[in-house]
Amino acid sequence: AQSVAQPEDQVNVAEGNPLTVKCTYSVSGNPYLFWYVQYPNRGLQFLLKYITGDNLVKGSYGFEAEFNKSQTSFHLKKPSALVSDSALYFCAVRDIISSGDKLTFGTGTRLAVRP
Amino acid sequence: EPEVTQTPSHQVTQMGQEVILRCVPISNHLYFYWYRQILGQKVEFLVSFYNNEISEKSEIFDDQFSVERPDGSNFTLKIRSTKLEDSAMYFCASKTSSYNEQFFGPGTRLTVL
Repeated sequence: AQSVAQPEDQVNVAEGNPLTVKCTYSVSGNPYLFWYVQYPNRGLQFLLKYITGDNLVKGSYGFEAEFNKSQTSFHLKKPSALVSDSALYFCAVRDIISSGDKLTFGTGTRLAVRP
Repeated sequence: EPEVTQTPSHQVTQMGQEVILRCVPISNHLYFYWYRQILGQKVEFLVSFYNNEISEKSEIFDDQFSVERPDGSNFTLKIRSTKLEDSAMYFCASKTSSYNEQFFGPGTRLTVL
């Protein structure tokens, strides 16, 4: 079975500082990994994905994530946080061998960026 | 930019009543999904739909649930006899191909009284 862990319920960072939101995963085969962001009263917006290829993936709004197979991690990063980045961030995994097509989500990490 | 849309944004119903949640996926997408998020919990997969049939469903998706694509644009989730524990935010999603990301709608908040 596939699973995702987001160990931090909340991450606090000052505007202009770098941010990291952590994600680790467990799959039987090779993973497809995704990050989504949810603003209040909105749906999930796609940020970036890892399918194959370069371990460092760049996505929307200046976010990037690094796939680390040995540590089974896919942490989300941004060099300089903005107040407008404050939102709920979800990591998701798809196990391309055993899970069909569904995404399994983590519990979410609330990012709070203070001015 | 094309978006997945969902109606209504909020549905309140009495326990035991039937509800239909509606979604209009992005027009050239071929794969369709329903997920739900109970308040304060994580997003959970309910069902996937491709080529006019269910391709996968979770244990949550029991006989009380059904999905339909009645025409070329709508994708619906029906709950036949709602329970209190069905109260959640329901998200529809779609994508173009197997390798691509899913695009999510804004959700329908279902409240069962």
